[in-house]
Amino acid sequence: ETGVTQSPTHLIKTRGQQVTLRCSSQSGHNTVSWYQQALGQGPQFIFQYYREEENGRGNFPPRFSGLQFPNYSSELNVNALELDDSALYLCASSSSGTGSSGELFFGEGSRLTVL
Amino acid sequence: GESVGLHLPTLSVQEGDNSIINCAYSNSASDYFIWYKQESGKGPQFIIDIRSNMDKRQGQRVTVLLNKTVKHLSLQIAATQPGDSAVYFCAENAARDDKIIFGKGTRLHILP
Repeated sequence: ETGVTQSPTHLIKTRGQQVTLRCSSQSGHNTVSWYQQALGQGPQFIFQYYREEENGRGNFPPRFSGLQFPNYSSELNVNALELDDSALYLCASSSSGTGSSGELFFGEGSRLTVL
Repeated sequence: GESVGLHLPTLSVQEGDNSIINCAYSNSASDYFIWYKQESGKGPQFIIDIRSNMDKRQGQRVTVLLNKTVKHLSLQIAATQPGDSAVYFCAENAARDDKIIFGKGTRLHILP
């Protein structure tokens, strides 16, 4: 158990719809990173939030957006869903500002299927 | 550019034997290299990391080796157990800010 919880665990959407995925970070962690993991692939970095501000973004279009709240929980929003957005979306929390090595604590993910 | 890759997508090892999972990287500026384990239906789990100024680090039943000359990283698992069955990802922390870049993964099969 990492203490990181994600919801929903599974969901099905159709092309063009919008989706919001939620993540509660581990207690004491101020940083949340979101990853997209397609089947058989490694997680791809979407973006990171640190103290409610976006702190870096991977190669994802603007229709992928996020929020971090004062309690450090976070949301990932995806607009105008495409078939290729079908994937496991992983949230990871960490405590930045310490020159940390990269130990991320992952949730179990939200499996999104776009039809 | 940044990229982390793996030599073999699947590795089968007899239970009790040692496993060696290899990984190549291209970003010489990475500060840390990390190994994650992902079991079916779960998120990745941190195993061990190594700082770029080290060449070996040992944990419980695991050892990570870093060869900066050939940009190669390996994970050695001693006395492989059925619970070690998973996909293993090498990753790198290029910017010291927890932006971890993952490779494609190696699936480890444990043979009885």
